[in-house]
Amino acid sequence: QKEVEQNSGPLSVPEGAIASLNCTYSDRGSQSFFWYRQYSGKSPELIMFIYSNGDKEDGRFTAQLNKASQYVSLLIRDSQPSDSATYLCALLMDSSYKLIFGSGTRLLVRP
Amino acid sequence: SQTIHQWPATLVQPVGSPLSLECTVEGTSNPNLYWYRQAAGRGLQLLFYSVGIGQISSEVPQNLSASRPQDRQFILSSKKLLLSDSGFYLCAWSGGQGAAQYFGPGTRLTVT
Repeated sequence: QKEVEQNSGPLSVPEGAIASLNCTYSDRGSQSFFWYRQYSGKSPELIMFIYSNGDKEDGRFTAQLNKASQYVSLLIRDSQPSDSATYLCALLMDSSYKLIFGSGTRLLVRP
Repeated sequence: SQTIHQWPATLVQPVGSPLSLECTVEGTSNPNLYWYRQAAGRGLQLLFYSVGIGQISSEVPQNLSASRPQDRQFILSSKKLLLSDSGFYLCAWSGGQGAAQYFGPGTRLTVT
């Protein structure tokens, strides 16, 4: 069983809509969660990280963490065509240096 | 601020040739350093990580090796490349255990 699961997509949303990206994980020892954005042909770029249950907002982005249900989400409000990319979810297990990445969800924002 | 460099940006090498990819980090000391590979249309595969000079942990048995000769320098090498070594090689750094990782621009390697 994969440790981090993401729907590969593509998730297609119209410009201005809210894009909701989800990630589930299997290890209850996971403590820290990260969202990266990767444009085609480019390296991943850190968008947000979240450690505690609940919501964390940064501009148009909101990360949501529910450790009891073992999922983490990324909401993108007012989606723009420039948000079209692959979004990678990653977790850091307790007492580890290593990030475990999901395979990513491709987001397409239609003008 | 911290900056991470990788070179070369692209590389085309024949099967059986050697490889050396370099990564350097500026603006921080004693970073944790990582090498990842991303095959076309695939996820990120952790190859090596290092928590200090001369300390290398290997995640995947293969024909690649890594070295950390200086605090902020991380090198990925191979004596003989295979076709399956083609991919996008990414170096990353983090500030310590539990910290986020930040990626360099990557090296796109094509083995022919």
